[in-house]
Amino acid sequence: GESVGLHLPTLSVQEGDNSIINCAYSNSASDYFIWYKQESGKGPQFIIDIRSNMDKRQGQRVTVLLNKTVKHLSLQIAATQPGDSAVYFCAENNAGNMLTFGGGTRLMVKP
Amino acid sequence: NAGVMQNPRHLVRRRGQEARLRCSPMKGHSHVYWYRQLPEEGLKFMVYLQKENIIDESGMPKERFSAEFPKEGPSILRIQQVVRGDSAAYFCASSPGKETQYFGPGTRLLVL
Repeated sequence: GESVGLHLPTLSVQEGDNSIINCAYSNSASDYFIWYKQESGKGPQFIIDIRSNMDKRQGQRVTVLLNKTVKHLSLQIAATQPGDSAVYFCAENNAGNMLTFGGGTRLMVKP
Repeated sequence: NAGVMQNPRHLVRRRGQEARLRCSPMKGHSHVYWYRQLPEEGLKFMVYLQKENIIDESGMPKERFSAEFPKEGPSILRIQQVVRGDSAAYFCASSPGKETQYFGPGTRLLVL
């Protein structure tokens, strides 16, 4: 849905713990989903993607889960490190090629 | 392989001036997208272009904003007669097709 400019929700985790960041998407016709990481002053950086014919995809230390029934996406980060501190956005891509971004979650990793 | 390049990184304009933002896509990518981001918000789609064609401009304001992606050279996002509300970060992304979009570092526009 549309962001309304509120402060970003924040997830605070201890270094070494696992992190789970959640996202609800809006369009049941979306067939491709991406997680981006955005550090302060930088552009979004691709982390991992998943297509709608899958429900799970793993990368290096990251796993994306897709639940189409409830239109929910999650990003799991294993053994979270200080360098993982950033804002994380999910994005959905439907037929038009444009990405629709979620509101973002700020991840803070405590050493 | 250089990533998406944008310049300038920071741009200050007074109200009523014009802003020109440039984007060079990744090598081999013929699809360019422009997004706008306000502080503490997600990116909002503005326009999607392929070489010499605007494919989708549904997110771009009808007045004062225009975009192009010429056969030669970078894509340009042009904002005429800027107002304070245009202050934002503008990101360009590119892709080889209907696939992952890779973003540039953005241009931060400040209108005084």
